[in-house]
Amino acid sequence: EAQVTQNPRYLITVTGKKLTVTCSQNMNHEYMSWYRQDPGLGLRQIYYSMNVEVTDKGDVPEGYKVSRKEKRNFPLILESPSPNQTSLYFCASSWGTTSPAFFGQGTRLTVV
Amino acid sequence: GQQVMQIPQYQHVQEGEDFTTYCNSSTTLSNIQWYKQRPGGHPVFLIQLVKSGEVKKQKRLTFQFGEAKKNSSLHITATQTTDVGTYFCAGPGAAGNKLTFGGGTRVLVKP
Repeated sequence: EAQVTQNPRYLITVTGKKLTVTCSQNMNHEYMSWYRQDPGLGLRQIYYSMNVEVTDKGDVPEGYKVSRKEKRNFPLILESPSPNQTSLYFCASSWGTTSPAFFGQGTRLTVV
Repeated sequence: GQQVMQIPQYQHVQEGEDFTTYCNSSTTLSNIQWYKQRPGGHPVFLIQLVKSGEVKKQKRLTFQFGEAKKNSSLHITATQTTDVGTYFCAGPGAAGNKLTFGGGTRVLVKP
């Protein structure tokens, strides 16, 4: 079954404690991206990757890092989380921006 | 940078009525995509429009791409409770490397 898997689904952490949210897709897609969703602001792109070892900033990259060492995986790293990074995060994959995006189930992150 | 705006932000609809939600981009789009997110769920792809003036239908949903390829609309007829959710439009930037989403229209249906 074609899917995008994110883990964890829920995470509560403290300010400054490094964390990683994993994302994996089984469709051999080249394009992967991370979004955060906040009430009234829709989906805002954090980072995207057009292929292995090729990543670039989206619209709200501050405080986040990503890596793309393998085609299937695209982890999101928060080196020093802050409360303003409390949000719902989605990973997505596709063949590119002109093809449908498949989203993971989401990760609800709370930073206290 | 590119901006994608959706109106209205909220839409309260009586069951059985029709409504339309609109999407406007600050730049010309090569294509526009629509997604639906059910409450507590993740966005799910609905449809993609590519051609100027294109109209596509999915049962009670009608999607249209503007002639100038800068705007789009989603019209739902005879709204049902299953239509509840947030509808997003999205389009790629000029360089084709970023997919920008609108703020979404949250649809609430009154039975």
